[in-house]
Amino acid sequence: DAKTTQPPSMDCAEGRAANLPCNHSTISGNEYVYWYRQIHSQGPQYIIHGLKNNETNEMASLIITEDRKSSTLILPHATLRDTAVYYCIVRVPYNNNDMRFGAGTRLTVKP
Amino acid sequence: NAGVTQTPKFQVLKTGQSMTLQCAQDMNHEYMSWYRQDPGMGLRLIHYSVGAGITDQGEVPNGYNVSRSTTEDFPLRLLSAAPSQTSVYFCASSYSRQGSYEQYFGPGTRLTVT
Repeated sequence: DAKTTQPPSMDCAEGRAANLPCNHSTISGNEYVYWYRQIHSQGPQYIIHGLKNNETNEMASLIITEDRKSSTLILPHATLRDTAVYYCIVRVPYNNNDMRFGAGTRLTVKP
Repeated sequence: NAGVTQTPKFQVLKTGQSMTLQCAQDMNHEYMSWYRQDPGMGLRLIHYSVGAGITDQGEVPNGYNVSRSTTEDFPLRLLSAAPSQTSVYFCASSYSRQGSYEQYFGPGTRLTVT
């Protein structure tokens, strides 16, 4: 399994963009990058995924570098409700037993 | 759809007791899994199932049993509870096919073993 490295914590001002980095230098060609978040000990919530192209949905944008060794999750206008632990995971999409969560990044959005 | 439901929400056990954590989903997902989350840690996979009658071990299976007799239900059994099993347990489900991207998680069961 590809390993991911994320900073343990980050702060962001409310209304500003939150940019959460993830390094995955050993990612293989058929592995996707997924982002989940966990708000206050609730079950994790899927945010977005991508293979090599940048992706955007109603929650966030995902920017993957050309060499695919790193990515950035962008919350364009962070709110207090975005305070959570964010997990970056790399895996083959239909190989569900590869769902390995690390410690993630604790994002605190401040007023 | 109720999504993924888990019962109970909280449970306190004494060392050596056994119990079953319940998990059900109404999305007709083939894949279901159990994770545990210790304080300040990420989730770790205990057991998973790719369909009724098929189960396999994850990263931390010792002390737990599972079975999958129906698509909807995936109970997790603690055989003889130990304090090291104090944790929050999450059940998840998803489609198990190429192109499947999202796992849906339940709200969790908070277990304390004294």
